[in-house]
Amino acid sequence: AQKVTQAQTEISVVEKEDVTLDCVYETRDTTYYLFWYKQPPSGELVFLIRRNSFDEQNEISGRYSWNFQKSTSSFNFTITASQVVDSAVYFCALRPSGGSYIPTFGRGTSLIVHP
Amino acid sequence: GAVVSQHPSWVICKSGTSVKIECRSLDFQATTMFWYRQFPKQSLMLMATSNEGSKATYEQGVEKDKFLINHASLTLSTLTVTSAHPEDSSFYICSARDASGGLGEQFFGPGTRLTVL
Repeated sequence: AQKVTQAQTEISVVEKEDVTLDCVYETRDTTYYLFWYKQPPSGELVFLIRRNSFDEQNEISGRYSWNFQKSTSSFNFTITASQVVDSAVYFCALRPSGGSYIPTFGRGTSLIVHP
Repeated sequence: GAVVSQHPSWVICKSGTSVKIECRSLDFQATTMFWYRQFPKQSLMLMATSNEGSKATYEQGVEKDKFLINHASLTLSTLTVTSAHPEDSSFYICSARDASGGLGEQFFGPGTRLTVL
Protein backbone atom coordinates (compact mmCIF):
# COMPACT_ATOMS: atom_id res chain seq x y z
CA ALA A 1 0.00 0.00 0.00
CA GLN A 2 1.12 3.49 -0.73
CA LYS A 3 0.78 6.47 1.53
CA VAL A 4 1.65 10.13 1.27
CA THR A 5 1.72 12.30 4.36
CA GLN A 6 1.65 16.06 4.31
CA ALA A 7 1.68 16.86 7.98
CA GLN A 8 1.25 20.60 7.54
CA THR A 9 -2.41 21.38 7.02
CA GLU A 10 -1.96 25.10 6.67
CA ILE A 11 1.02 27.44 6.57
CA SER A 12 0.80 31.18 6.80
CA VAL A 13 3.74 33.39 5.87
CA VAL A 14 4.42 36.97 4.99
CA GLU A 15 5.52 37.85 1.51
CA LYS A 16 9.24 37.35 0.80
CA GLU A 17 9.62 34.70 3.46
CA ASP A 18 10.94 31.30 2.47
CA VAL A 19 8.65 28.37 3.14
CA THR A 20 9.10 24.60 3.00
CA LEU A 21 6.27 22.18 2.46
CA ASP A 22 6.92 18.70 3.77
CA CYS A 23 6.04 15.43 2.08
CA VAL A 24 6.77 11.97 3.45
CA TYR A 25 5.79 8.86 1.58
CA GLU A 26 5.57 5.11 2.03
CA THR A 27 5.76 2.54 -0.72
CA ARG A 28 6.96 -1.00 -1.28
CA ASP A 29 7.69 -0.33 -4.93
CA THR A 30 11.31 -0.09 -5.93
CA THR A 31 10.59 2.30 -8.73
CA TYR A 32 8.09 5.09 -8.50
CA TYR A 33 7.42 8.71 -9.29
CA LEU A 34 6.83 11.62 -6.97
CA PHE A 35 4.90 14.73 -7.91
CA TRP A 36 3.99 18.14 -6.64
CA TYR A 37 0.87 19.94 -7.81
CA LYS A 38 -0.44 23.40 -7.08
CA GLN A 39 -4.16 23.99 -6.78
CA PRO A 40 -5.05 27.69 -6.76
CA PRO A 41 -8.52 28.87 -5.72
CA SER A 42 -9.76 28.29 -9.27
CA GLY A 43 -9.40 24.57 -8.60
CA GLU A 44 -7.30 23.50 -11.55
CA LEU A 45 -4.37 21.29 -10.66
CA VAL A 46 -1.12 22.73 -11.91
CA PHE A 47 1.71 20.27 -12.41
CA LEU A 48 4.95 21.47 -10.82
CA ILE A 49 7.39 18.58 -10.90
CA ARG A 50 7.82 14.86 -11.41
CA ARG A 51 10.74 13.04 -9.86
CA ASN A 52 11.86 9.50 -10.65
CA SER A 53 12.84 7.42 -7.64
CA PHE A 54 16.23 6.78 -9.21
CA ASP A 55 17.04 10.44 -9.41
CA GLU A 56 17.89 11.92 -6.05
CA GLN A 57 19.33 15.12 -7.36
CA ASN A 58 17.72 18.21 -5.97
CA GLU A 59 16.04 20.45 -8.47
CA ILE A 60 15.64 24.17 -8.67
CA SER A 61 13.24 26.03 -10.91
CA GLY A 62 13.22 29.74 -10.30
CA ARG A 63 11.97 30.32 -6.77
CA TYR A 64 10.97 26.67 -6.40
CA SER A 65 13.27 23.91 -5.23
CA TRP A 66 12.74 20.31 -4.29
CA ASN A 67 14.73 18.12 -1.93
CA PHE A 68 14.33 14.39 -2.53
CA GLN A 69 15.81 12.16 0.16
CA LYS A 70 15.18 8.50 -0.43
CA SER A 71 16.79 7.55 2.89
CA THR A 72 14.05 9.39 4.77
CA SER A 73 11.32 8.90 2.13
CA SER A 74 10.82 12.60 1.86
CA PHE A 75 10.26 14.94 -1.04
CA ASN A 76 10.09 18.46 0.35
CA PHE A 77 9.24 21.58 -1.59
CA THR A 78 10.67 25.00 -0.83
CA ILE A 79 9.46 28.33 -2.14
CA THR A 80 12.01 31.09 -1.82
CA ALA A 81 10.92 34.68 -1.41
CA SER A 82 7.25 33.76 -1.39
CA GLN A 83 4.70 35.92 -3.19
CA VAL A 84 0.98 36.41 -2.75
CA VAL A 85 0.39 34.51 -6.00
CA ASP A 86 1.92 31.46 -4.37
CA SER A 87 -1.15 31.18 -2.15
CA ALA A 88 -2.74 27.85 -3.00
CA VAL A 89 -3.11 24.30 -1.84
CA TYR A 90 -0.12 22.15 -2.69
CA PHE A 91 -0.40 18.40 -3.13
CA CYS A 92 2.35 15.85 -3.05
CA ALA A 93 1.62 12.59 -4.89
CA LEU A 94 3.22 9.22 -5.45
CA ARG A 95 2.57 6.64 -8.10
CA PRO A 96 4.22 3.41 -9.16
CA SER A 97 6.21 3.40 -12.37
CA GLY A 98 3.94 0.77 -13.88
CA GLY A 99 0.72 -1.05 -13.25
CA SER A 100 -2.34 1.11 -12.84
CA TYR A 101 -0.45 4.42 -12.94
CA ILE A 102 -2.88 5.70 -10.32
CA PRO A 103 -1.31 8.30 -8.03
CA THR A 104 -1.82 8.50 -4.30
CA PHE A 105 -2.28 12.06 -3.14
CA GLY A 106 -1.43 13.59 0.18
CA ARG A 107 -4.05 15.64 2.00
CA GLY A 108 -2.53 18.86 0.77
CA THR A 109 -0.98 21.86 2.46
CA SER A 110 -2.74 25.19 2.23
CA LEU A 111 -0.22 27.99 1.85
CA ILE A 112 -1.35 31.51 2.59
CA VAL A 113 1.05 34.29 1.71
CA HIS A 114 0.15 37.64 3.23
CA PRO A 115 1.26 40.89 1.61
CA GLY B 1 1.36 19.96 -24.37
CA ALA B 2 -1.36 17.54 -23.40
CA VAL B 3 -4.62 19.29 -22.61
CA VAL B 4 -7.69 17.90 -20.91
CA SER B 5 -10.92 19.84 -20.87
CA GLN B 6 -14.03 19.46 -18.78
CA HIS B 7 -17.50 20.72 -19.43
CA PRO B 8 -19.22 22.35 -17.75
CA SER B 9 -16.83 24.12 -15.44
CA TRP B 10 -19.61 24.60 -12.93
CA VAL B 11 -23.22 23.53 -12.64
CA ILE B 12 -26.04 24.18 -10.23
CA CYS B 13 -28.97 21.81 -10.26
CA LYS B 14 -32.01 20.89 -8.26
CA SER B 15 -32.08 17.84 -6.06
CA GLY B 16 -33.27 14.78 -7.95
CA THR B 17 -31.98 15.80 -11.35
CA SER B 18 -29.14 14.19 -13.25
CA VAL B 19 -26.02 15.99 -14.32
CA LYS B 20 -23.56 14.96 -17.02
CA ILE B 21 -19.93 16.05 -16.95
CA GLU B 22 -17.71 15.63 -19.98
CA CYS B 23 -13.98 15.05 -19.98
CA ARG B 24 -12.07 15.37 -23.24
CA SER B 25 -8.44 14.86 -24.14
CA LEU B 26 -7.86 17.53 -26.77
CA ASP B 27 -4.58 16.63 -28.37
CA PHE B 28 -3.92 13.03 -27.46
CA GLN B 29 -5.68 9.71 -27.20
CA ALA B 30 -6.54 8.44 -23.77
CA THR B 31 -7.27 4.77 -23.36
CA THR B 32 -7.74 5.38 -19.66
CA MET B 33 -9.44 8.24 -17.88
CA PHE B 34 -9.87 8.73 -14.18
CA TRP B 35 -12.57 10.51 -12.20
CA TYR B 36 -11.85 12.13 -8.87
CA ARG B 37 -14.00 13.90 -6.35
CA GLN B 38 -12.71 16.57 -4.03
CA PHE B 39 -14.64 17.93 -1.07
CA PRO B 40 -13.73 21.34 0.34
CA LYS B 41 -10.33 21.41 1.99
CA GLN B 42 -9.77 17.76 1.29
CA SER B 43 -7.60 15.77 -1.06
CA LEU B 44 -8.58 14.20 -4.33
CA MET B 45 -10.40 10.93 -3.98
CA LEU B 46 -10.35 8.53 -6.89
CA MET B 47 -13.86 7.48 -7.80
CA ALA B 48 -13.33 5.28 -10.81
CA THR B 49 -11.04 4.28 -13.63
CA SER B 50 -12.56 4.39 -17.06
CA ASN B 51 -11.18 2.38 -19.96
CA GLU B 52 -12.27 3.04 -23.51
CA GLY B 53 -14.83 0.54 -24.68
CA SER B 54 -15.22 -1.27 -21.39
CA LYS B 55 -16.96 -0.87 -18.09
CA ALA B 56 -15.47 1.45 -15.54
CA THR B 57 -13.79 0.15 -12.42
CA TYR B 58 -15.16 1.82 -9.33
CA GLU B 59 -13.33 2.36 -6.07
CA GLN B 60 -14.74 0.87 -2.93
CA GLY B 61 -17.64 2.84 -1.57
CA VAL B 62 -18.50 4.57 -4.84
CA GLU B 63 -21.98 3.73 -6.09
CA LYS B 64 -21.75 2.74 -9.72
CA ASP B 65 -25.48 3.16 -10.26
CA LYS B 66 -25.29 6.71 -9.03
CA PHE B 67 -22.14 7.75 -10.83
CA LEU B 68 -22.47 6.46 -14.37
CA ILE B 69 -19.30 6.54 -16.41
CA ASN B 70 -19.13 6.13 -20.15
CA HIS B 71 -15.86 6.11 -22.07
CA ALA B 72 -17.15 5.82 -25.61
CA SER B 73 -14.10 7.07 -27.48
CA LEU B 74 -10.39 7.58 -27.01
CA THR B 75 -10.93 11.26 -26.33
CA LEU B 76 -14.15 11.42 -24.34
CA SER B 77 -15.38 10.13 -21.02
CA THR B 78 -18.55 11.24 -19.29
CA LEU B 79 -19.63 11.10 -15.69
CA THR B 80 -23.34 11.30 -14.99
CA VAL B 81 -24.45 11.98 -11.45
CA THR B 82 -27.92 10.50 -11.34
CA SER B 83 -30.63 11.77 -9.01
CA ALA B 84 -28.23 14.23 -7.50
CA HIS B 85 -28.61 15.26 -3.87
CA PRO B 86 -26.95 18.03 -1.88
CA GLU B 87 -24.36 15.62 -0.50
CA ASP B 88 -23.15 15.07 -4.07
CA SER B 89 -22.09 18.69 -4.22
CA SER B 90 -18.37 18.59 -4.81
CA PHE B 91 -15.55 19.39 -7.18
CA TYR B 92 -15.17 16.68 -9.80
CA ILE B 93 -11.86 16.34 -11.61
CA CYS B 94 -10.99 14.04 -14.45
CA SER B 95 -7.60 13.01 -15.70
CA ALA B 96 -6.53 11.25 -18.84
CA ARG B 97 -3.62 8.98 -19.39
CA ASP B 98 -1.73 9.45 -22.62
CA ALA B 99 -1.85 6.10 -24.39
CA SER B 100 1.24 6.84 -26.43
CA GLY B 101 3.43 8.08 -23.62
CA GLY B 102 5.88 5.63 -22.11
CA LEU B 103 5.53 7.13 -18.65
CA GLY B 104 1.76 6.75 -18.72
CA GLU B 105 1.47 10.27 -17.48
CA GLN B 106 -1.88 11.59 -16.33
CA PHE B 107 -3.07 15.01 -17.31
CA PHE B 108 -5.74 16.68 -15.24
CA GLY B 109 -8.77 18.60 -16.37
CA PRO B 110 -9.72 21.93 -14.80
CA GLY B 111 -12.51 20.41 -12.75
CA THR B 112 -16.27 20.83 -12.55
CA ARG B 113 -17.90 22.34 -9.52
CA LEU B 114 -21.29 20.76 -8.86
CA THR B 115 -23.75 22.36 -6.49
CA VAL B 116 -26.98 20.53 -5.79
CA LEU B 117 -29.72 22.62 -4.20
